[in-house]
Amino acid sequence: NAGVMQNPRHLVRRRGQEARLRCSPVKGHSHVYWYRQLPEEGLKFMVYLQKENIIDESGMPKERFSAEFPKEGPSILRIQQVVRGDSAAYFCASSQDRTYNEQFFGPGTRLTVL
Amino acid sequence: AQKITQTQPGMFVQEKEAVTLDCTYDTSDQSYGLFWYKQPSSGEMIFLIYQGSYDEQNATEGRYSLNFQKARKSANLVISASQLGDSAMYFCAMREGLGGTASKLTFGTGTRLQVML
Repeated sequence: NAGVMQNPRHLVRRRGQEARLRCSPVKGHSHVYWYRQLPEEGLKFMVYLQKENIIDESGMPKERFSAEFPKEGPSILRIQQVVRGDSAAYFCASSQDRTYNEQFFGPGTRLTVL
Repeated sequence: AQKITQTQPGMFVQEKEAVTLDCTYDTSDQSYGLFWYKQPSSGEMIFLIYQGSYDEQNATEGRYSLNFQKARKSANLVISASQLGDSAMYFCAMREGLGGTASKLTFGTGTRLQVML
């Protein structure tokens, strides 16, 4: 059974470029969560999606960040015009449904902005 | 106010000894869940243990147990018989409103545990 897959594991971008982070949830899971971890900090919630719907985006920055979880294919976290402050580890988690206790985390994507 | 507070930035423990990692939380919800995750140096997040607010017994998973004191709003993680492989960052997290729409986890700042020979 494959767990949550994230790719790429490491991503380097120059300021002003776009970053696309992909997340494939555990097979059968229809709920996806994105978290960001700045160096030496805990994880901060960004967005919660169910297939084709954004349920909670209260943690998403208002500009440059967007997320989607299409009917087919992985969830995508997109960061436009990256800045150095976007350098962080981005984790995706999935769960079977809203009330399921455990969120299974992927290995994370480490974004470095030069 | 912080929803999850971990007051120990770093802890040391001798191999084979037990260690307690502190976590206090703040919520006005009656229904919530508390989680502990381990993050080794490789970076992945590993689920350790879960405690629901209505669970009367403290959760246990192998060498991990959760000392849940609801009135004090604390959910400390106890690791028994520490091993070198336990050296990692440990995060406490909370999910509020289990019966409603809220699903996100709120994390503390973490405790770095170092197990010594």
